[in-house]
Amino acid sequence: EIVMTQSPATLSVSPGERATLSCRASQSLSSNLAWYQQKPGQAPRLLMYGASTRATGIPARFSGSGSGTEFTLTISSLQSEDFALYYCQQYNNWPLTFGGGTKVEIK
Amino acid sequence: QVQLQESGPGLVKPSETLSLTCIVSGGSISGYYWHWIRQPPGEGLEWIGYIYYSGSTYYNPSLMSRVTIAVDTSNNQFSLRLSSVTAADTAVYYCARRENSGWNYFDYWGQGALVTVSS
Repeated sequence: EIVMTQSPATLSVSPGERATLSCRASQSLSSNLAWYQQKPGQAPRLLMYGASTRATGIPARFSGSGSGTEFTLTISSLQSEDFALYYCQQYNNWPLTFGGGTKVEIK
Repeated sequence: QVQLQESGPGLVKPSETLSLTCIVSGGSISGYYWHWIRQPPGEGLEWIGYIYYSGSTYYNPSLMSRVTIAVDTSNNQFSLRLSSVTAADTAVYYCARRENSGWNYFDYWGQGALVTVSS
């Protein structure tokens, strides 16, 4: 099973600032990585797939990069609605696995 | 707009079987892969398994001995059964649709159903 490790666990950022979230895989994924955003009491929402392709309707301030075992999600200028939990998910191997999440909170 | 809605008992006794249904509306269940994912309170996400509309399945090896996923195309729904539950199975259970590109990430999710295992 591929283990996904996200860091940091919590990221404190001021509105308007940049947030950089990391996701590391225990084996190479090529670019088979997705990112989700989850707000309290809600289901996860697909943000990114193929490591760097934004899902439908996702604002351009969200960008993804990386391949292999190291991936990054960047939010260029945090808006109030971006404070949430973020998960990465690998779909290169079975079973599908998720990272433990990064909470982006208001500084 | 595709919508998924989980339903089922919110409380299950230890050693019994958890049963949930996911009703798909706004689109057909045919042609897609349908997944179950769970999230224990305050924890991360765990993938449970999937079913294709034709009935083929694949489960997480960690749960394989206890999981059954079935599809009912005539009613546009699919279901999850998890046997011999313990407190560790307490979680919000989500149903989700695999995006149609052929890769296993999820573009539509249900709102989730909290299932508590307790006597």
